[in-house]
Amino acid sequence: EAGVAQSPRYKIIEKRQSVAFWCNPISGHATLYWYQQILGQGPKLLIQFQNNGVVDDSQLPKDRFSAERLKGVDSTLKIQPAKLEDSAVYLCASSSSEQYFGPGTRLTVT
Amino acid sequence: AQSVAQPEDQVNVAEGNPLTVKCTYSVSGNPYLFWYVQYPNRGLQFLLKYITGDNLVKGSYGFEAEFNKSQTSFHLKKPSALVSDSALYFCAVRALITGSARQLTFGSGTQLTVLP
Repeated sequence: EAGVAQSPRYKIIEKRQSVAFWCNPISGHATLYWYQQILGQGPKLLIQFQNNGVVDDSQLPKDRFSAERLKGVDSTLKIQPAKLEDSAVYLCASSSSEQYFGPGTRLTVT
Repeated sequence: AQSVAQPEDQVNVAEGNPLTVKCTYSVSGNPYLFWYVQYPNRGLQFLLKYITGDNLVKGSYGFEAEFNKSQTSFHLKKPSALVSDSALYFCAVRALITGSARQLTFGSGTQLTVLP
């Protein structure tokens, strides 16, 4: 069974630029999550989708972050404009029961 | 609100010795409890979970965890550590509430180093 795919694996941008991350969940998993993991901390949920609908986005900084899952499969997470404090690993996960995580995208904002 | 505490940032153990990585939690109602492991430049990998039943849960790679309701703890254990067990370990909790959003709350992680 293929795992959760994410791209790119690494991204370096300057502050105030925009960036987008892509996630392809495990086939058949209706639930998809985006997490932010700052160095030295545990992952923090940003947004949760059930199919193409948002279940929970209470911790998503909506002034600069957006996410979509238009066809209920792949998802993109966008940051515009980026700030220095957005430097982190962005993890995508999907679940049927347990959550399975992708390798993450390491974002560095300079 | 639910929360997880991993009181040790770093745990060092000699190869072949038993290891314990500590976790305590706070949640309303009955908890789902999880352990994940993260190797460098890799995503989190599921190790084991507790939902209900036997307080001792067995998982992948010889790991097990003991649920203690009175102490609100879910410590990760392994009888004999391997150098390859060296990684970052995360405990997570989710409330067992009907209709919940299945939101996991993670601890801050414990770096396990197994010394040869």
